[in-house]
Amino acid sequence: NAGVMQNPRHLVRRRGQEARLRCSPMKGHSHVYWYRQLPEEGLKFMVYLQKENIIDESGMPKERFSAEFPKEGPSILRIQQVVRGDSAAYFCASSPRDRGPTEAFFGQGTRLTVV
Amino acid sequence: GESVGLHLPTLSVQEGDNSIINCAYSNSASDYFIWYKQESGKGPQFIIDIRSNMDKRQGQRVTVLLNKTVKHLSLQIAATQPGDSAVYFCAEGGGSYIPTFGRGTSLIVHP
Repeated sequence: NAGVMQNPRHLVRRRGQEARLRCSPMKGHSHVYWYRQLPEEGLKFMVYLQKENIIDESGMPKERFSAEFPKEGPSILRIQQVVRGDSAAYFCASSPRDRGPTEAFFGQGTRLTVV
Repeated sequence: GESVGLHLPTLSVQEGDNSIINCAYSNSASDYFIWYKQESGKGPQFIIDIRSNMDKRQGQRVTVLLNKTVKHLSLQIAATQPGDSAVYFCAEGGGSYIPTFGRGTSLIVHP
């Protein structure tokens, strides 16, 4: 059973470009959580999704950021018109239907660098 | 506001020593606490958790202590090994169902 898979592991974008981060949850997991980690900081919650539903997006910036978890395929975190301040590690975690975010398993993250 | 914080950003120990990593929290409504280990270039990995109705829980070489009176949490690692070198985060849950992470303590184990 593969763990949570995130790709790419490293992503470099120029200011103004779009970044698309992908997360494939563990097999059998239907809940996905996205977190952002700035250098030497803890993880900050961004969004909680179930298949085809956004459950909690209270941590998402109001502009330029969006997330989806379609019926088929990975969850996508999309950042439009990236700025230098978006440079961070973005982690995805997943949990099964009967488990909450405190029992989620994390992927290895995507490190976004905006130049 | 509510916060989860750590007392020391970096802890250096010798191999074989015991390590103690501390964490303070301020949300008295939190009823579930988790310790994570994050190795360089990797995602957080669950180590051990404790509920607020307990004051101590032991795992393999790790012990978590919870003092609700002073809102303090600690992680003890026995016989620390070089492979324990990582950043350790405490996180609280329950009060808010999404865990809130502290800033982290970097543990450096010298052989």
